[in-house]
Amino acid sequence: QQQVKQSPQSLIVQKGGISIINCAYENTAFDYFPWYQQFPGKGPALLIAIRPDVSEKKEGRFTISFNKSAKQFSLHIMDSQPGDSATYFCAALNYGGSQGNLIFGKGTKLSVKP
Amino acid sequence: DAGVIQSPRHEVTEMGQEVTLRCKPISGHDYLFWYRQTMMRGLELLIYFNNNVPIDDSGMPEDRFSAKMPNASFSTLKIQPSEPRDSAVYFCASRPHRQGPNTEAFFGQGTRLTVV
Repeated sequence: QQQVKQSPQSLIVQKGGISIINCAYENTAFDYFPWYQQFPGKGPALLIAIRPDVSEKKEGRFTISFNKSAKQFSLHIMDSQPGDSATYFCAALNYGGSQGNLIFGKGTKLSVKP
Repeated sequence: DAGVIQSPRHEVTEMGQEVTLRCKPISGHDYLFWYRQTMMRGLELLIYFNNNVPIDDSGMPEDRFSAKMPNASFSTLKIQPSEPRDSAVYFCASRPHRQGPNTEAFFGQGTRLTVV
């Protein structure tokens, strides 16, 4: 119930294309869903996050779509650029619960080809 | 703030030796997390602390691993004795109290550990 399942494991997209990464969760108590971006040799860094009271959040070229009934959320990267090549992690957290830790997906390695 | 600071950035050690990884969280953050990252297993939570108290250490792989947080500004992860399968990148992260704003976790740069 604590798992967050992420797909695909790797993704290759042409420059200018749309990158889509999907995540699914089981625990309905989760109420915070961030996406982290990690470049080689660096720690993960927060990219964008959403709470379940909205179905979509957009920041620049990055959009989170959230489907509460399906218990799924996804990251869309519009106009993908080579600089977006990184590993992306979805995560989930239950603010009101006893667990204070983020539950991470396994990660998606994105390569954007010029 | 300089962010979460980890040391050393790289550590190469021989099998059987003791290894100590260090972390300084962001000032004022209540939670501190230790993660291990490998190609095979991704990001694994090893242990986390709330207000210096260990809350969940179920991710610590074996008794060879131990972690301490003697005060709000310092934590260590120790492996004794180290084994080649412990080779990984170890991340420390911290975040503020769960109810506050800007509650994302901030990660350090990581320590790349190689046990030969």
